[in-house]
Amino acid sequence: ILNVEQSPQSLHVQEGDSTNFTCSFPSSNFYALHWYRWETAKSPEALFVMTLNGDEKKKGRISATLNTKEGYSYLYIKGSQPEDSATYLCAFSGRGSTLGRLYFGRGTQLTVWP
Amino acid sequence: ETGVTQTPRHLVMGMTNKKSLKCEQHLGHNAMYWYKQSAKKPLELMFVYNFKEQTENNSVPSRFSPECPNSSHLFLHLHTLQPEDSALYLCASSQTTGLKIEQYFGPGTRLTVT
Repeated sequence: ILNVEQSPQSLHVQEGDSTNFTCSFPSSNFYALHWYRWETAKSPEALFVMTLNGDEKKKGRISATLNTKEGYSYLYIKGSQPEDSATYLCAFSGRGSTLGRLYFGRGTQLTVWP
Repeated sequence: ETGVTQTPRHLVMGMTNKKSLKCEQHLGHNAMYWYKQSAKKPLELMFVYNFKEQTENNSVPSRFSPECPNSSHLFLHLHTLQPEDSALYLCASSQTTGLKIEQYFGPGTRLTVT
């Protein structure tokens, strides 16, 4: 069993605040790191797939960085809005794993207050 | 709307019942997955199908029986479940089963076993 840890478990911020959270994963046998956004009662939605050390991805106000040598990824949200409220999941895939197998963290639940 | 639908969205069943969960993807993908999320736990992979062939069974008890008649449909047949099987069951699909391929999720079926 691979441990993928996310912190904090939950986060409450005011509208307009910028925020970030962490995903830690095994640095050995790394292949890819996935970020998903999951709104309540909806489907998890893919945000980013990252494979290269030092990579940075951006989608609107959301960006992510990747450090494969130390085994962590940060997700940043600039100027949080109430519609950003969701659970953010990261998932690790490793070399040698069954193709398609992702190991998920428990997620960070973000609540943005207006 | 991710293009992956699941029915039913909610299901309550007794331990002696037999029921089935259905997943359909409208994305032309070749791989499909079943995941389970129990309370306070990460998403856990159950089964992977690639071109209708099962490629992963993550030590799932035999009371869960998957079926993939074609690349667009995936079923999870349930029989003699236990109360601890109560969870959210998510279906996902992807173009192939690559390690950096995005998976597209359905909204899940909330299962309660009484």
